[in-house]
Amino acid sequence: AQTVTQSQPEMSVQEAETVTLSCTYDTSESDYYLFWYKQPPSRQMILVIRQEAYKQQNATENRFSVNFQKAAKSFSLKISDSQLGDAAMYFCAYRTYGGSQGNLIFGKGTKLSVKP
Amino acid sequence: GAGVSQSPSNKVTEKGKDVELRCDPISGHTALYWYRQRLGQGLEFLIYFQGNSAPDKSGLPSDRFSAERTGESVSTLTIQRTQQEDSAVYLCASSVYRATEAFFGQGTRLTVV
Repeated sequence: AQTVTQSQPEMSVQEAETVTLSCTYDTSESDYYLFWYKQPPSRQMILVIRQEAYKQQNATENRFSVNFQKAAKSFSLKISDSQLGDAAMYFCAYRTYGGSQGNLIFGKGTKLSVKP
Repeated sequence: GAGVSQSPSNKVTEKGKDVELRCDPISGHTALYWYRQRLGQGLEFLIYFQGNSAPDKSGLPSDRFSAERTGESVSTLTIQRTQQEDSAVYLCASSVYRATEAFFGQGTRLTVV
C-alpha cells in the first residue's frame, strides 16, 4: 500500500524568506501524481502544485516549486518570498496515475507559520 | 454550482444519534470523494463514487458509516449511532473522471458530545 510521510509537524518562516517542506512516499508503482495542497483556517483544501511522476522537470507555480527525486521517493515544496497569506496547513498527497482509483493518499500535514 | 458545497458547516450531535452530511459537487463532475480529517491529522479516505459504477467503499471505518449518490448529483454521508471518536471534519471533493485535480468543499465539522 502507498504511504505518504511528512516529518515536520510544524515549520516557521520569516516573511520574504524561503522555506522548504519535506515529503516522502512509498509506492511500487512507476506512474503516479504527487500534489501539495494548502489548507487555511477556512478548511478548504486548495491545490498548490502538482507533479507527474513521468516528468523529470520539477513543477513550478509562481513562488512555489518542488524538488522531485523519484529514486529517493522524495517530493519537497519550496516557498520563496514567503507571505503572511501562506500561513496554513500543507499536505502532501499521492494519487495513482490510472485515475480509476480515485483516492488521494495524504500525509499528516505541516503547519506553516509566517512571522512578519 | 461554482464550487463544491457541503452542509451543514458545523454539526453538534449527541452520542448515539444518527447524522447526515451533504455534499453538492461541481456540475459535470462525475467523481466524488469523502474524506475524514481528525484534529491535527491528515485526510483519511472514506469512499469514492464514479458515475454509475459501484462505489469504492474500502475506506469506511465501520458499518455505521454509509454513503449514497444518485448518478452525478448530491451525495449524502450517513453516520449511525455516532461515537465521540467520529468527531472530525468531513471533507467532500469532486473531479472530472480521470482528472488529476480534485476540488474540495469547506467541510462539515462534526462534534459528538
